Amino acid sequence: TQLLEQSPQFLSIQEGENLTVYCNSSSVFSSLQWYRQEPGEGPVLLVTVVTGGEVKKLKRLTFQFGDARKDSSLHITAAQPGDTGLYLCAGLSGNTPLVFGKGTRLSVIA
Amino acid sequence: EAQVTQNPRYLITVTGKKLTVTCSQNMNHEYMSWYRQDPGLGLRQIYYSMNVEVTDKGDVPEGYKVSRKEKRNFPLILESPSPNQTSLYFCASSLGAGGEQYFGPGTRLTVT
Repeated sequence: TQLLEQSPQFLSIQEGENLTVYCNSSSVFSSLQWYRQEPGEGPVLLVTVVTGGEVKKLKRLTFQFGDARKDSSLHITAAQPGDTGLYLCAGLSGNTPLVFGKGTRLSVIA
Repeated sequence: EAQVTQNPRYLITVTGKKLTVTCSQNMNHEYMSWYRQDPGLGLRQIYYSMNVEVTDKGDVPEGYKVSRKEKRNFPLILESPSPNQTSLYFCASSLGAGGEQYFGPGTRLTVT
C-alpha cells in the first residue's frame, strides 16, 4: 500500500510569516496533486506536478516535486488569513487510484 | 456551472435503517468515487467507478454499496448503517482516475 506522509499535521502561524509543508513517501509517483479544503467544503485542486524537480508557483504558493518523484513541498510566503485550511497532497502511480495524505491543517492568525 | 452535487448535506439516522446518498456531476466525467473523511485518518476511498456499469472497491468498502447506471450519477448505499459509519462523505468526479478531482460539498452522516 502506498502511503503519503504529510507534515506537520497542524500549523498555527501569524499573518505575514512564511511556512513550508511536506508530503513524503517511499514510493515513486507519476504525478502529485495539492488540494486545499476549507471548512464545510470539499477539497479544491491547487496544482499538479508531474516532472521530477518541477517547481510551480501560484501567487504566494510555491510547489516543488522532488527529483526522485517521492516527495513534494508547498511553501507559502507571507501567509494571510485566507490561506487557512486543510492542505492535502495526493499521488498517482500507475493504474491505482489516487492516494491522499492525511493533510496539514493550517491556521493563519491575523 | 460545472459541479458535483450531493444530497442530503446532513443526515442523522439510526442503526440499521437503509439510506442512500446521491451524487451527480454535470461535466460528463467518466471517473467517479466516494470518500469518507475522519479526523486523524484523512480521506479514504470507499468505491470508485471508471465508467458506466464499472465499479470497484477502494480502501474501505465494507458496509457500502454503489451503482453506476448512468454516467452522471453515482449513489452510495448503506444497507444497514452502523455507528462506525458516522463520518463526512465526499463524492468526486474526474475525466480519468489521475485527473483533477472535483469534489462535492460533502454529506455529514451521523448514525446513532
